[in-house]
Amino acid sequence: ELKVEQNPLFLSMQEGKNYTIYCNYSTTSDRLYWYRQDPGKSLESLFVLLSNGAVKQEGRLMASLDTKARLSTLHITAAVHDLSATYFCAVPHSFSGNTGKLIFGQGTTLQVKP
Amino acid sequence: DSGVTQTPKHLITATGQRVTLRCSPRSGDLSVYWYQQSLDQGLQFLIQYYNGEERAKGNILERFSAQQFPDLHSELNLSSLELGDSALYFCASSPLPTFYEQYFGPGTRLTVT
Repeated sequence: ELKVEQNPLFLSMQEGKNYTIYCNYSTTSDRLYWYRQDPGKSLESLFVLLSNGAVKQEGRLMASLDTKARLSTLHITAAVHDLSATYFCAVPHSFSGNTGKLIFGQGTTLQVKP
Repeated sequence: DSGVTQTPKHLITATGQRVTLRCSPRSGDLSVYWYQQSLDQGLQFLIQYYNGEERAKGNILERFSAQQFPDLHSELNLSSLELGDSALYFCASSPLPTFYEQYFGPGTRLTVT
C-alpha cells in the first residue's frame, strides 16, 4: 500500500526564518504535487513536479523532487505571516493503473509568527 | 477560484438520512474526483469518474455512491448517514484521467447530528 508521510506535522516559526517540510513516499513515482489549504478552505495547487531532480520556485517557496530517494522537499525562505496554512504533498497511486487517484500526506500546518 | 463548483456549501442532517452532493467540473475537464477530509482520516480519495465512467475506487463505503452525468457534472450520494460521516467533501477535476494536476472545488461541509 502506498504511504505518503510528511514531517513535521506542525511547524511554528518566526517571520524571516527558513525551514523545510519533507514528504516521503513508499513506492516509485515520477511525479508529486504540493497543495496549500487555508483553514476551512479548498486546496490550492502550488507545484507539480514531473521528474527526478525537478525544482520549482514561486515566491518564498521552493519544491524539489528526488524520485530515487522517494523524497520531496518544500523549502520556505524568509517566512512571512501570509504563508501560514496547511501544506499537503500528494503522490499518484501507481498501482491503480491509468487513473488519477492521489494519495495525500497528513499535511503540515505552518504557523508563522510575527 | 479553481472553476470547480460544489453545492451545497454546508449541509446539516440527522443520522440515518440520505444526502446528495453536487459538483460541476472546470469547463473542458472530463475527469471528476471525490475526496473526503476529516480530522482522523485526513484527505482520502473516494472515487474517480472519467467521461461518465467509473475509473478508480478508493476507500468509499458501500453506503456511498456516485455518478457522472452526460453534461459531466457529478453527484455523490451518501446514505444511512452516521456521525462519523461528518467531514469536508471535496470534488476535483482534471482534463484527462491521469498525469494532470487536479483542481479542487470549495467543498461541502457535512455535519451529521
